[in-house]
This record gives sequence, C-alpha cells and structure tokens, in this order.
Amino acid sequence: RKEVEQDPGPFNVPEGATVAFNCTYSNSASQSFFWYRQDCRKEPKLLMSVYSSGNEDGRFTAQLNRASQYISLLIRDSKLSDSATYLCVTRSNFGNEKLTFGTGTRLTIIP
Amino acid sequence: DAGVTQSPTHLIKTRGQQVTLRCSPISGHKSVSWYQQVLGQGPQFIFQYYEKEERGRGNFPDRFSARQFPNYSSELNVNALLLGDSALYLCASSPGPHGTPARTIYFGEGSWLTVV
Repeated sequence: RKEVEQDPGPFNVPEGATVAFNCTYSNSASQSFFWYRQDCRKEPKLLMSVYSSGNEDGRFTAQLNRASQYISLLIRDSKLSDSATYLCVTRSNFGNEKLTFGTGTRLTIIP
Repeated sequence: DAGVTQSPTHLIKTRGQQVTLRCSPISGHKSVSWYQQVLGQGPQFIFQYYEKEERGRGNFPDRFSARQFPNYSSELNVNALLLGDSALYLCASSPGPHGTPARTIYFGEGSWLTVV
C-alpha cells in the first residue's frame, strides 16, 4: 500500500465548475501536509499548506482530518490555467526534509 | 537570484552505464534533496544532504549514491543503470535540515534520464 494515496484521475471538468480532490495517508507520524501542483514536464511547485482548521487561498480550499488521515483540496470556479497534476504531500519532520508524494491527480479544465 | 539549477537537462544512457547528475541549490540554502519521478507517479525521495552529511535515505538500492560539496552543490550517482531507472530526477533545495517552511523548499527543473 502506498503511503499517500490519491485518485489518479484524469478529471475532465468544464470551466467554471468546482472540483474536489481527496487523499489519504497511512503514516500516523506525518506532521505537515501540502498540496503541490505540477505542470506537464515541469517541477512540482507548492500550491498550499494544509491545516486542521482548514485554509483558503482565493479559489482554493484545503482541509485536513487527522483522525481519518484524510486531506482534501477544493477548487472553485475552475480556470483553464488550473489544468495540471495535483500532488498530495506529507512530511514527518523527523530529522530530515523527506516529502512523501502521492501519485498525483491529473486535472484538465475544458473550455 | 538564480533558482535551483540542475544539469544535464536531458541525457540518454545505455543499460549498465553510470550517470552523474548535478544540482546547485539556491544561494544561502544548505540542504539538497534528490527525488526520482517515474512517468505517471509522484516523486520519490532518494537522499537528503545537509552541511555535507546525509540526513535521510529513501528505499533505493546501493547503486544510488550522492554527495554534497563545501559549496552545498550536490551530485547524484547511479551505477549499473537499468531500464527502470528512466525517470525525471529532481533536486530540492531548502535552508535547513528539517522542518523548514514548505514555502522555502524549491525544486529544480530536473534532469530527464532515459536508459536504453
């Protein structure tokens, strides 16, 4: 079983729609949680950190449920520029900077 | 300021050969981590080096090795290449050994390795 599991998609969503991604993690020692975005053939870039209280950044909302070991990302009013692969990421903070990535969910916004 | 720079950007090697990939971190960053990203998968952690010392190692065979130099640049070496080593190799730079804010971790554009 992978340490971070995501639905690989692809998700094909019309422009303006709301799309939700889910992720589960198995390592209970995980202490930090993130969503990264990766464009085709490019490096991953931090989209946002995820906190138990939930956090919002413009059209993006992330939520963490530590009890269920579940992370979510909601994108509202999707834009063509949101087309990318979204990677769910955890970090244990145990003496190193190891980031554990999910497989990624590929999103295509359709005009 | 320059971002994380990696070289070469693309290379093709034959099975059994050896490859060396290079990474220069952002100025002021002392930590370098290496990741392997196979097509269709997320990046997988290979190594982290901080102040020239190994701080973490992922689940990779001994054919993979790395080192960090006094100027904080790093090399990743892979010996006896297999077809399955074909991947994007990413370098990540950060200021500290662990627990640094994620917004201070930057990835390079990667080195695309094809093994034939």
